[in-house]
Amino acid sequence: DVKVTQSSRYLVKRTGEKVFLECVQDMDHENMFWYRQDPGLGLRLIYFSYDVKMKEKGDIPEGYSVSREKKERFSLILESASTNQTSMYLCASSLRGFGGNQPQHFGDGTRLSIL
Amino acid sequence: DAKTTQPNSMESNEEEPVHLPCNHSTISGTDYIHWYRQLPSQGPEYVIHGLTSNVNNRMASLAIAEDRKSSTLILHRATLRDAAVYYCTPEGAQKLVFGQGTRLTINP
Repeated sequence: DVKVTQSSRYLVKRTGEKVFLECVQDMDHENMFWYRQDPGLGLRLIYFSYDVKMKEKGDIPEGYSVSREKKERFSLILESASTNQTSMYLCASSLRGFGGNQPQHFGDGTRLSIL
Repeated sequence: DAKTTQPNSMESNEEEPVHLPCNHSTISGTDYIHWYRQLPSQGPEYVIHGLTSNVNNRMASLAIAEDRKSSTLILHRATLRDAAVYYCTPEGAQKLVFGQGTRLTINP
């Protein structure tokens, strides 16, 4: 089975801090994704990567950056954390496929609180 | 993004079949229909996906309408572990968009 591991289940940080969220997958998947999930807003894509050192903006990239130096690892960076970035952050991975024919496999999420 | 409509909640009894509907009338011709489910405090779990034909796997079956504007996820024999929020989402560009989903309650 695919295993997607997020470094922390719960994290509390302060406004203005630089925050790193780490994600590792063990199935040699080409694609990796970062989403945030908020009540009433559903799941929203922040960034995704289809290869090492490649990244593409999702729907809500403002205030975030990403890094993919190795195929198995995809990091989400909050450059200067703000309270409106308090959320559940979900990492996912998938095989590279044509169109939407590859399921995504999710980690258990990081619940991030910015005080 | 294609818009989906699902009932907010559904309830069923253990060991009975469950049919979860989803309307996706604006789906494009190349989008696959994916279903995921999410238990409290966990990440979403892939259930099944399909394009035009009905699909079966060990977890569920997916029935897709001929015009592809709706689909139904079928759990053949619900268990208590199937209680979750179920999301359907068209996916064509490797981006998932979850709406509010259907909260499924299973009664013992």
